Amino acid sequence: NAGVTQTPKFQVLKTGQSMTLQCAQDMNHEYMSWYRQDPGMGLRLIHYSVGAGITDQGEVPNGYNVSRSTTEDFPLRLLSAAPSQTSVYFCASSYFSGTGEKLFFGSGTQLSVL
Amino acid sequence: AQSVSQHNHHVILSEAASLELGCNYSYGGTVNLFWYVQYPGQHLQLLLKYFSGDPLVKGIKGFEAEFIKSKFSFNLRKPSVQWSDTAEYFCAVRQTGANNLFFGTGTRLTVIP
Repeated sequence: NAGVTQTPKFQVLKTGQSMTLQCAQDMNHEYMSWYRQDPGMGLRLIHYSVGAGITDQGEVPNGYNVSRSTTEDFPLRLLSAAPSQTSVYFCASSYFSGTGEKLFFGSGTQLSVL
Repeated sequence: AQSVSQHNHHVILSEAASLELGCNYSYGGTVNLFWYVQYPGQHLQLLLKYFSGDPLVKGIKGFEAEFIKSKFSFNLRKPSVQWSDTAEYFCAVRQTGANNLFFGTGTRLTVIP
């Protein structure tokens, strides 16, 4: 199993450009989520999905879109990049058992918006 | 490649018991170290972090962690756990100067009242 795979690892954008961060998991998890990490703030939830075709907003959704057409993939789209979106982005997938949620993280995407 | 190991997958303790969760990493250079916590139904929160200086780091809610460079470890401790500490705990490592974090697979802590 590859686990959770994020691409690209690094990206530089100009203000106003659009791009998609890819996330794929091969563990057949229903739940996937996107976080951003900023200095001194830990991880903040952007969007999440509880299954194919279902998405919802997290703590900081503005400026980002997601879709979940398959169980495996959960891409994050920036429609018009802004410098405030310079951050490190983590995708995660998880499953729920009787004792709660078990999270698996990708290795992150470092995004700089100039 | 960097890796982060959390060998305890699920820990069950009674209230007032002492806690130690293991975290080991494989990178040989200078690192920054983090512990995150996820309470049921909530997103991840930063518990504590180590960048430099005193290897014994104190975090929120009575947690602390000790960086032992020779053992490539950053174990999390708490002298007396409470029921409200029931959560998933993640160790993470970052190369100094880089941004990407490498997470362990997490340890689920269940505290029994």
